[in-house]
Amino acid sequence: KAGVTQTPRYLIKTRGQQVTLSCSPISGHRSVSWYQQTPGQGLQFLFEYFSETQRNKGNFPGRFSGRQFSNSRSEMNVSTLELGDSALYLCASSLGGTSSGNEQFFGPGTRLTVL
Amino acid sequence: KQEVTQIPAALSVPEGENLVLNCSFTDSAIYNLQWFRQDPGKGLTSLLLIQSSQREQTSGRLNASLDKSSGRSTLYIAASQPGDSATYLCAVFNAGKSTFGDGTTLTVKP
Repeated sequence: KAGVTQTPRYLIKTRGQQVTLSCSPISGHRSVSWYQQTPGQGLQFLFEYFSETQRNKGNFPGRFSGRQFSNSRSEMNVSTLELGDSALYLCASSLGGTSSGNEQFFGPGTRLTVL
Repeated sequence: KQEVTQIPAALSVPEGENLVLNCSFTDSAIYNLQWFRQDPGKGLTSLLLIQSSQREQTSGRLNASLDKSSGRSTLYIAASQPGDSATYLCAVFNAGKSTFGDGTTLTVKP
């Protein structure tokens, strides 16, 4: 069974641009969660999608948004990039999501650098 | 607001030693707790998942315990190997939110 895949793996953008990251969950998983990992703040929860609906949201500004498609693939978009958005962005998939007690499986991450 | 603390932040041991990593959380109303391993620049690998109703889980040389009432979990690694060198993170899940600790960076010296 294929694991969680994320594309692209590396990305370099400049301030003010926008970026879209993609995550394909494990086959059969309906929940995708997104996280931001930085050396200073650690791993922080961005949002969770289940069956195309945003179910939970962390404390991030509205510049961070996402969506999920009918095949459970998810995209995350960051608009008007700031230097502080440089981070490793991780997605995780699970059968029923964080509220169901299911195990979370992570992808390899997308390393975003904002210049 | 849930807070997760992992102590120590870093640990160095000689190969073959048994060791314990600690994780504490402030809100005991959790659905489950999960231990992960992260190698530098990589994603997280799930090690063990403990449901809120369970006390421990075992997988190979790893054993994780959970004491909800005291807000603590431990990850026991038996007979450590250089390949165990990585950062170990614990995460608690409740009310649709997940909170991660900052991790313990383990170095196992040959």
